[in-house]
Amino acid sequence: ETGVTQSPTHLIKTRGQQVTLRCSSQSGHNTVSWYQQALGQGPQFIFQYYREEENGRGNFPPRFSGLQFPNYSSELNVNALELDDSALYLCATLRRGYNEQFFGPGTRLTVL
Amino acid sequence: AQKITQTQPGMFVQEKEAVTLDCTYDTSDQSYGLFWYKQPSSGEMIFLIYQGSYDEQNATEGRYSLNFQKARKSANLVISASQLGDSAMYFCAMFSTQGGSEKLVFGKGTKLTVNP
Repeated sequence: ETGVTQSPTHLIKTRGQQVTLRCSSQSGHNTVSWYQQALGQGPQFIFQYYREEENGRGNFPPRFSGLQFPNYSSELNVNALELDDSALYLCATLRRGYNEQFFGPGTRLTVL
Repeated sequence: AQKITQTQPGMFVQEKEAVTLDCTYDTSDQSYGLFWYKQPSSGEMIFLIYQGSYDEQNATEGRYSLNFQKARKSANLVISASQLGDSAMYFCAMFSTQGGSEKLVFGKGTKLTVNP
């Protein structure tokens, strides 16, 4: 158990809709990263938040956005959902300057 | 750019035997870190072992050891005395600070099946 939780566990949406995924941080971990893992692939870095600001982004369009709150919890928002957005979304928290990232159990998003 | 290559899509091993999962990496950084994660069907990424580029000794964690060959840019995971519960996806990843964020770059993974 890493102490990182994500909600919801599973989600089904239709194309064009918007979705919000949530992640709670392990105590003391001031940085959160979000990853997308398509079926049969390794996780791909979406973006990272530190001190409530985006601190780096991978190759994802602006319709992927996020928030980090003062208690270090975080949200991932995806607008105008596409079929290819169907994936497992993982959040990982860490203390900045330390290498290890602690992953949550993930949210499985299905877009129909 | 950093890249992780895992060339074994699937591996099979008999229970109680050892197995090696391959990982090669590419980076221009002088200092870097390499991780192995286990991902069961439930989806959670479970940290197994870490190797820093300047660590002189190969990392070990219980039944897991990392065969780190810096000149060959390889970081293979060795699991000794395989157990049925070891059946899962295994991912090699590199820690990257490019672009200012601290992120992991993952390979495509290897599916390990342990047979009784």
